[in-house]
Formats: sequence, C-alpha cells, structure tokens
Amino acid sequence: ETGVTQSPTHLIKTRGQQVTLRCSSQSGHNTVSWYQQALGQGPQFIFQYYREEENGRGNFPPRFSGLQFPNYSSELNVNALELDDSALYLCASSSTGASGANVLTFGAGSRLTVL
Amino acid sequence: AQRVTQPEKLLSVFKGAPVELKCNYSYSGSPELFWYVQYSRQRLQLLLRHISRESIKGFTADLNKGETSFHLKKPFAQEEDSAMYYCALRRDSGYALNFGKGTSLLVTP
Repeated sequence: ETGVTQSPTHLIKTRGQQVTLRCSSQSGHNTVSWYQQALGQGPQFIFQYYREEENGRGNFPPRFSGLQFPNYSSELNVNALELDDSALYLCASSSTGASGANVLTFGAGSRLTVL
Repeated sequence: AQRVTQPEKLLSVFKGAPVELKCNYSYSGSPELFWYVQYSRQRLQLLLRHISRESIKGFTADLNKGETSFHLKKPFAQEEDSAMYYCALRRDSGYALNFGKGTSLLVTP
C-alpha cells in the first residue's frame, strides 16, 4: 500500500506565472483535498474533490482550481501567481462513504516560492 | 464561522513532566475534533480523534463541549514527543478540516 505522493517537492516561480501541482492518493482512497500552509500557520483548506468533482471549497479565489482524475489522482492549478501564494501545498486523501469523509492522510507537500 | 485556537506557539517541558497542549474552538454545531502531529522531517499525521476515545503514544484528549475545548494531555513527556501539534475541527456537515496555528512542543532531558 502506498501513501500520498506529491510532485514537485520544491519549485520557484515568478509573479504572474501559472503552476500545476500533482498528487497521487493513497491506495483505496477516493477523495482528495488540498491545503495551503503558509510559514508559521496551520494548513488552510483550499478545496476537495470526490468522484472527479469539486465538493467543497475554502476561502480561495477562482485562480485556484483543480482536477481529479478517474484514478483519484489530482492536480492543483494556480494562475496569476502572487507573492502571497508562497507556501507549502499539502494534498490529503481519504475514503468517503455513507457516513462522510474519513481520516485524512497527508502527503509531504510541494513548497512553492513566488519571486 | 468555525475557529480553532491554540494559544501557545511554543511549549517547553522537561522529560518526565506532564504536558498539556491547549485547543479551544468556536462552533455551535457538533464538531469532530482531531489532533495532528508533525515530527521533524516527517509529514503531518493523525495522532488522535475525539470519537475514537483512545490513547495514542500515551496522549489523550477529551472533548469538553461546555468549555469548547479539546486539550491534549500526556502525564509523562518523552523526548520523542518533541514535534509540532495541530488541533483541527471538522464541521458536522462538511468534510474540510479547520486547523489551528499549531503548538511546537519541545521536551528537554
């Protein structure tokens, strides 16, 4: 059984550019959520995908978008990067059943630096 | 809106001393509360959740709805407990976790 894997681990972009971060969910998990963790802060919920559709979103602008694929892997896309987008982006997978979402399993994160 | 507060940014205790990491929340519904831990150079992982009512690595946490708290406790701290601890809340009708800012626990010999 593999855990949650994210790529790339580190990347540097400049303001205005676009970035795509990738996540492979843990085996057996059908739900993926993304969190942004700024330095010195706790993770903040961006959005969640279940059955290839967004089914929950935090307080993030539309330039943050995502996808989930049939194999449950996911992408996070951020357009028009701003300096404040510099953060660790965490992907978490879980299994969702009739009783709701179960415990999240987190990846190691992708550290984005925007210059 | 729901909010999770961890009032201590850093908590330093001696090995063998009791430790309590505080977590308070604001939410009028029936939340699900979690403690996540991040050890040095490791990923964020679940420590315990209130509905399980179990002790993990000697840690326990009781949900006190009257005081809206979910403090994490351990009677005798060990050096390997040094880590970043995050309290998180899930609303009764949602799936997203609301995290606090975290408390860095340092256990010194």
